[in-house]
Formats: sequence, C-alpha cells, structure tokens
Amino acid sequence: AQSVTQPDIHITVSEGASLELRCNYSYGATPYLFWYVQSPGQGLQLLLKYFSGDTLVQGIKGFEAEFKRSQSSFNLRKPSVHWSDAAEYFCAVGPLTGGGNKLTFGTGTQLKVEL
Amino acid sequence: DGGITQSPKYLFRKEGQNVTLSCEQNLNHDAMYWYRQDPGQGLRLIYYSQIVNDFQKGDIAEGYSVSREKKESFPLTVTSAQKNPTAFYLCASRDERGAGYTFGSGTRLTVV
Repeated sequence: AQSVTQPDIHITVSEGASLELRCNYSYGATPYLFWYVQSPGQGLQLLLKYFSGDTLVQGIKGFEAEFKRSQSSFNLRKPSVHWSDAAEYFCAVGPLTGGGNKLTFGTGTQLKVEL
Repeated sequence: DGGITQSPKYLFRKEGQNVTLSCEQNLNHDAMYWYRQDPGQGLRLIYYSQIVNDFQKGDIAEGYSVSREKKESFPLTVTSAQKNPTAFYLCASRDERGAGYTFGSGTRLTVV
C-alpha cells in the first residue's frame, strides 16, 4: 500500500528565511511524486512533480524539491520565503499509469510566515 | 480557460437529506476524482472514474454515490447514510499523460 508522511503539522518561518518541508513516502514501485499548495478555502495548486530524471526538480513560485530514493524522501525547499507563501502544503505519491492513477496525499504542513 | 468548476461553493444539508455536489471540467480529461478533506487528515479518496459510465470506490465511499454519464461531469451525492458529512469536498481530474491532478476550488458542506 502506498502512503505519505509529512511529519511537521505546523511550521513557522520568518520572511526571507529558508524553508524545508519534509515528505517521506512508501511505495512499491517507481513513485510519481507531487507537491501541492492550498490557500484557505481553495483547491490545490500543483507546485512541482517528479517521476524520473534529475532528482532536483524546479517548480513554480521559486520552490524546488529533491528526490532521495535511499531515504524515500521528497522534501520541498525554498531559499527565501515570502509572506504570500503562507498556506498549507501537501505531498502526494502515485503511479505514473495504472492503478486508477490514484494519488495518496499526506496530512499536510501548515506554513506560517512571520513578518 | 480550461479548468474544473465545482458548485456550489457552500452547501448546507439538513439531517436525513441527500445533496448533490457538481463537478464539471472542460479539460477533456478522462479520469476524475472526488476527495474529502478534514482538518489534520489530508485528502481521502471517495470515488474515482477513469472513463464514462464507469467508476470505482475509493477509501471512504460509504454514504456517497456518483455517476459519470458525460466525460465533462462527475457529480457526487452525499446521502443520508453518510453520518458525518460536514467537510470540504474537492473534485479533480487527470489527463492520460499523468501530468498531475487539476483541482476545482471545492465545496464546503455543512450539516445544519
């Protein structure tokens, strides 16, 4: 069975500081990994995705994530956080094809940015 | 612009009442999904459909029903059998290339 763990429920950072959100996954095959962001009362927006190739992937809004197979991790990073980055972030894992293409989501990390 | 439209944005249900949440997409995606979101629990899959006239139960299908009569539409009915329906409901679709899900803006359902 596939699963995703986001160990940090809440994270607070100062504006301009660096950010790293952790994601660990369990998946029996080559995983297809995603990071999404959600503003209050809104749907989820895709930040970035990974399924093969360079293990460091770039996304929108200055975010990047690094896939580490040996650690089953896909951590999200940003060098300098802006106040507008305050939101909830979700990591997800699923198959590239097959299995209904179902994604499994983590429980999310709420990011607060202090000015 | 292509996207997913969920309506209504807010919905109130009385005890014992069935309600239907609408989800329409103009992305020409075959696969569509319904997720339920509760605080601290992430997103849990209710139902999904990979093709018209076919759908599958997800992890928490009890008390819900769906239909897929058209490629563009995947409505979710929350029946009176769902004992705790208050939640945020998200509809999503995915194209065959697996470029990730596109989400709607959600419907917040409250039992009154």
